[in-house]
Amino acid sequence: QKEVEQDPGPLSVPEGAIVSLNCTYSNSAFQYFMWYRQYSRKGPELLMYTYSSGNKEDGRFTAQVDKSSKYISLFIRDSQPSDSATYLCAMMGSSASKIIFGSGTRLSIRP
Amino acid sequence: GAVVSQHPSWVICKSGTSVKIECRSLDFQATTMFWYRQFPKQSLMLMATSNEGSKATYEQGVEKDKFLINHASLTLSTLTVTSAHPEDSSFYICSAPAGERPSDEQFFGPGTRLTVL
Repeated sequence: QKEVEQDPGPLSVPEGAIVSLNCTYSNSAFQYFMWYRQYSRKGPELLMYTYSSGNKEDGRFTAQVDKSSKYISLFIRDSQPSDSATYLCAMMGSSASKIIFGSGTRLSIRP
Repeated sequence: GAVVSQHPSWVICKSGTSVKIECRSLDFQATTMFWYRQFPKQSLMLMATSNEGSKATYEQGVEKDKFLINHASLTLSTLTVTSAHPEDSSFYICSAPAGERPSDEQFFGPGTRLTVL
């Protein structure tokens, strides 16, 4: 079993839709949870960074962490074609900065 | 946010040669940097942790004699792929935490695409 599971997609939605991306994990030691966006042939760009359980909102993006269920989500409101990319969830324990990535979900927003 | 650069952005080399990739933190100092490898349509896999002033820490299965890491200063880490083979062709990405704590946010470079002929 992988430490972090993420549906690879691809996921295609119409412009303006709400997008829900999810990851599950097995390691209860994870304390920091991140979402990265990666365009083709580019490095990952940090979107959201949260500590422990709870919600965090930044513009059109909302990250949710449910540590009891070992489940994290990223919601994108009013999705735009420019949001088309691969979204990677990532996690880190409290004692080290080693990041464990999910496999990434390819998202396509149709105009 | 903090900026991490990589050079070159892409490189093609012949099998058996060595290639050096640079990772720089442009507006902050980083005592630790990380090197990842990403194959097409796959996620990032941590190769090694680069530590300024000491030896790098390699992940299981990564050959330290093949992937040489030197953290020359607080803003520069280099990865040298020695005796490159076609199976080393990949996208190499570095990252660095922007703060002093290991749990601080990490920022990634734009990546270096290596093609070994």
